[in-house]
Amino acid sequence: DAGVTQSPTHLIKTRGQHVTLRCSPISGHKSVSWYQQVLGQGPQFIFQYYEKEERGRGNFPDRFSARQFPNYSSELNVNALLLGDSALYLCASSLYGTGTYEQYFGPGTRLTVT
Amino acid sequence: QQPVQSPQAVILREGEDAVINCSSSKALYSVHWYRQKHGEAPVFLMILLKGGEQKGHEKISASFNEKKQQSSLYLTASQLSYSGTYFCGTGRASNTGKLIFGQGTTLQVKP
Repeated sequence: DAGVTQSPTHLIKTRGQHVTLRCSPISGHKSVSWYQQVLGQGPQFIFQYYEKEERGRGNFPDRFSARQFPNYSSELNVNALLLGDSALYLCASSLYGTGTYEQYFGPGTRLTVT
Repeated sequence: QQPVQSPQAVILREGEDAVINCSSSKALYSVHWYRQKHGEAPVFLMILLKGGEQKGHEKISASFNEKKQQSSLYLTASQLSYSGTYFCGTGRASNTGKLIFGQGTTLQVKP
């Protein structure tokens, strides 16, 4: 079975631009969470979506938004990019969004803002 | 609040054992352990739930002390493939779609 997939793999953007990152969960998984990982640190929670509804939001500005589609795939959007947004963006999927289940991470999208 | 992991880094020889600790200042519902190799995504190792249930890797064990709000990951008879950065992620409610990760422990296993 395919794992979590993310696209694109790498992305270079200029300050002030907008970016859209995409994630497809493991087949049958209905919950998707987004994390930002800066080099040398642990992943930091951005959003969780379950059944197309936002179920949790981390301490990130309103420039960050996300959505989940009927097929459970998800998009993360970041507006007005700042140099500090450069990071590895990870998507993780789990079976359900309530209760405790394993989260499986995708390979990530490496975003560089210049 | 971010959990604190210790030690920050450890170097082992193949076959040696290691313990990685994860402590939180807040009550925990669950602890999730991951290993991340350089340039790769974190890989799920184990989940420990309040009440003692565990799910995860056969060759890696862990403990969860709810009263002390601590978890420890035990790596026995380490192999070269164990090298990487280990993260604990803590969940504070029954919905653990939101995990708060520690800063990581870097483990290097040498031949």
